[in-house]
Amino acid sequence: EDKVVQSPLSLVVHEGDTVTLNCSYEVTNFRSLLWYKQEKKAPTFLFMLTSSGIEKKSGRLSSILDKKELFSILNITATQTGDSAVYLCAAMTIQGAQKLVFGQGTRLTINP
Amino acid sequence: DGGITQSPKYLFRKEGQNVTLSCEQNLNHDAMYWYRQDPGQGLRLIYYSQIVNDFQKGDIAEGYSVSREKKESFPLTVTSAQKNPTAFYLCAVSGPSKRNTEAFFGQGTRLTVV
Repeated sequence: EDKVVQSPLSLVVHEGDTVTLNCSYEVTNFRSLLWYKQEKKAPTFLFMLTSSGIEKKSGRLSSILDKKELFSILNITATQTGDSAVYLCAAMTIQGAQKLVFGQGTRLTINP
Repeated sequence: DGGITQSPKYLFRKEGQNVTLSCEQNLNHDAMYWYRQDPGQGLRLIYYSQIVNDFQKGDIAEGYSVSREKKESFPLTVTSAQKNPTAFYLCAVSGPSKRNTEAFFGQGTRLTVV
């Protein structure tokens, strides 16, 4: 059974702190690893990772994939209250059809 | 206006009734997905489809049914067999399997059983 596990499930930090969110996966026919941010309704896309060791960066957010250890991290530096959200990790697999399997999410709360 | 349209945004159902949630896309993407999200939890896969007239069960397909008669449309029916249907339902689409593309989401339908 395809499985994606995120940790921690919940995290509360102060504005300005740096956070690291973890995602491990165990899936067949892995294609890519995706990160999303969900604030109210629809998740919004952050990163897609397909190769090990190549960091993707967007402002204060960055992410990297380790395909040997089946692991990805999402880093947020100098956190702001607007970063408060649920962060979702998903593994895209393909065996005939594409399948996108999500983890439980990490609820991040940034206190001023 | 391009993208993914889910309707309705809010839906109330009496126990024992079937209801159908709509998901339409004009992105011309192949793969479509249905997810269920319960409070404080991640997204659980209900059904997914790569091409017209073909779909696969996800992790929690029991009590749900789908159809894919057109590329643009992937409706989800919540049947009376689904014992706890109150949840937030999200539809997503992604591009051709030959290319690595991210998935895009609709705005969701919140279903409440009354």
